[in-house]
Amino acid sequence: AQKITQTQPGMFVQEKEAVTLDCTYDTSDPSYGLFWYKQPSSGEMIFLIYQGSYDQQNATEGRYSLNFQKARKSANLVISASQLGDSAMYFCAMRDGGLTGANSKLTFGKGITLSVRP
Amino acid sequence: DGGITQSPKYLFRKEGQNVTLSCEQNLNHDAMYWYRQDPGQGLRLIYYSQIVNDFQKGDIAEGYSVSREKKESFPLTVTSAQKNPTAFYLCASSGTGFSSYNEQFFGPGTRLTVL
Repeated sequence: AQKITQTQPGMFVQEKEAVTLDCTYDTSDPSYGLFWYKQPSSGEMIFLIYQGSYDQQNATEGRYSLNFQKARKSANLVISASQLGDSAMYFCAMRDGGLTGANSKLTFGKGITLSVRP
Repeated sequence: DGGITQSPKYLFRKEGQNVTLSCEQNLNHDAMYWYRQDPGQGLRLIYYSQIVNDFQKGDIAEGYSVSREKKESFPLTVTSAQKNPTAFYLCASSGTGFSSYNEQFFGPGTRLTVL
C-alpha cells in the first residue's frame, strides 16, 4: 500500500531565505512518480514539480527543486529565495503502478503549512 | 482559456438531501477525479474515471455517486447516506498518455456545508 508522510509542524521562514519541506514515501513498486502541490488560502491546488522514480537527476522548476533520495524514500521540496506569496500549504503526492496512463491515481500526504515572514 | 470549473463555490445542504457538485473541464483530459479535503488534512480520493462511461471507487466512496457520460463532465452527488459531508470538494483532471508528467490539474473547489 502507498503511504506519504509529511510530519513537520507548521514551518516558518524569513523572506529571501531557503526552506526545505520534508516528504517520505513508501511503495513496493519500482515505477512511481512524486509530485508537490501548493494550496494557498483560496483553496486551489497548484502543481509545482514532478520527479519520476527512474529520473537520474533531481527535478528543478524555477525556485523549486526536489531533493530526491531514492534509497531513503524521501522527496523533499526545497524553495529558494522565499517570497511572501509562498505562504501556503504544501502537499506531497505519489503515483505508483507505472509512471503514466494506466494508473493515474495520486495518494496525498497531510500537508505542511509554510509561513513566510517579512 | 483551458481549465477546470466547479460550481457552485459554496453550497449549503439540509440533512437528508442529496446535492450534486458540478465539474467541467476543457483540457481534453481523459481522466477525472473527485477529492474530499477536511480542515488541516490532505486530499482523499472519492471516485475517479479514466474514460467516458467508466469510473472506479476511491478510498472513501461510501455515500457518494458519480457519472461520466461526457468526457468534459464528471458530476459528484453527495447522498443522504454520507454521514459527514461537510468538507471542501476538489475536482481534478489529467492526461493518461505516455508522458512522464500527467500531473493533475485542479478546479477551484466547492465548499459544502450541511446545516
